[in-house]
Amino acid sequence: AQSVTQPDIHITVSEGASLELRCNYSYGATPYLFWYVQSPGQGLQLLLKYFSGDTLVQGIKGFEAEFKRSQSSFNLRKPSVHWSDAAEYFCAVGGQGGSEKLVFGKGTKLTVNP
Amino acid sequence: KAGVTQTPRYLIKTRGQQVTLSCSPISGHRSVSWYQQTPGQGLQFLFEYFSETQRNKGNFPGRFSGRQFSNSRSEMNVSTLELGDSALYLCASSLGYSNQPQHFGDGTRLSIL
Repeated sequence: AQSVTQPDIHITVSEGASLELRCNYSYGATPYLFWYVQSPGQGLQLLLKYFSGDTLVQGIKGFEAEFKRSQSSFNLRKPSVHWSDAAEYFCAVGGQGGSEKLVFGKGTKLTVNP
Repeated sequence: KAGVTQTPRYLIKTRGQQVTLSCSPISGHRSVSWYQQTPGQGLQFLFEYFSETQRNKGNFPGRFSGRQFSNSRSEMNVSTLELGDSALYLCASSLGYSNQPQHFGDGTRLSIL
């Protein structure tokens, strides 16, 4: 069964600084990988996804993520963080089978200091 | 295009009662998944319905059940509520396969007194 680890529970950065959120996955074959963001009191919004092809994936709101098979990682990055990026971020992994469920990491809460 | 709609947004119940939550997926989406979100456990998968059939199930007791109707709308029922059932319950819909992104509703906040 697949699993996801987000090692950082809470990260604090200053506005304008760069950001990298870590995600490690476990899956026997090529995974489908996702990053979602959740603002307080709301559901999850998809930031970006990786299925195959180019290992550097561009998403919404200026985010990108890089799939590294050798490290089983799918880290999320942003070159310059805005105060509105403060939220909780979830990495998720899905399998290639049509009926496989999506498994989420426990999330990383991002605080942005002015 | 309307997003995923969950009703009600907030619910307060007492122990021993039962509750039914509703989810209307995005038009054309045939898969509906339910998750329980708590501060301690994070997002936990409850079950997924596809074309009115339960396709996947998480590790929750039988008190948690669901169903899907022919129009893809889904309901989730929790019987004999316990204090530990207090959580945000999220519904997500997708076209139908795990490689299709899931679109989430804003959730139902269930509080058990």
